[in-house]
Amino acid sequence: GDSVTQMEGPVTLSEEACLTINCTYTATGYPSLFWYVQYPGEGLQLLLKATKADDKGSNKGFEATYRKETTSFHLEKGSVQVSDSAVYFCALSDQYNFNKFYFGSGTKLNVKP
Amino acid sequence: DGGITQSPKYLFRKEGQNVTLSCEQNLNHDAMYWYRQDPGQGLRLIYYSQIVNDFQKGDIAEGYSVSREKKESFPLTVTSAQKNPTAFYLCASSGQGQGETQYFGPGTRLLVL
Repeated sequence: GDSVTQMEGPVTLSEEACLTINCTYTATGYPSLFWYVQYPGEGLQLLLKATKADDKGSNKGFEATYRKETTSFHLEKGSVQVSDSAVYFCALSDQYNFNKFYFGSGTKLNVKP
Repeated sequence: DGGITQSPKYLFRKEGQNVTLSCEQNLNHDAMYWYRQDPGQGLRLIYYSQIVNDFQKGDIAEGYSVSREKKESFPLTVTSAQKNPTAFYLCASSGQGQGETQYFGPGTRLLVL
């Protein structure tokens, strides 16, 4: 079945460091891929998404590229800020059952001043 | 502003009591979802509904019930059969179609007295 695997956290970085959070997936066909962010005590917010192979999603300095050949959708940011501290979730929606989302377990990011 | 509202923000349940969590959306979305999130973990699907008067069980439906009498509303009842209900409950909605984003509400934290 479909699944999403993302790197375990917590990830601790200094302000202005580069960020990569790895995400790989298992799915048939061409799923749509998403990154969500969750701040403490809040719901999930969409950060970015990509719906077909080689698409790059981007928002607020974050980027991720849909790599079909490596079944990956790694989240990257060139210079993190303290305000980026949150939990990040990778997710996919199945091509054939698009209402069904599969979420990774989340990666907590701590950014220190 | 369009969005999803959940109430209450905090809910306390006594032993043997049923409690109902509210979820309302004004995004005109056909599909709605309920997830459970335990501390430090990802999301698990409880129920989802693709259309009014229809819903399907997710991965952890036991001890929960839902109804979908109106497009805008998808209440979740946590019954006394759910022996470990303490968790953060998230409601989401989406349009129908591949690549549609799920949008989340702010969540309800359920605690057992």
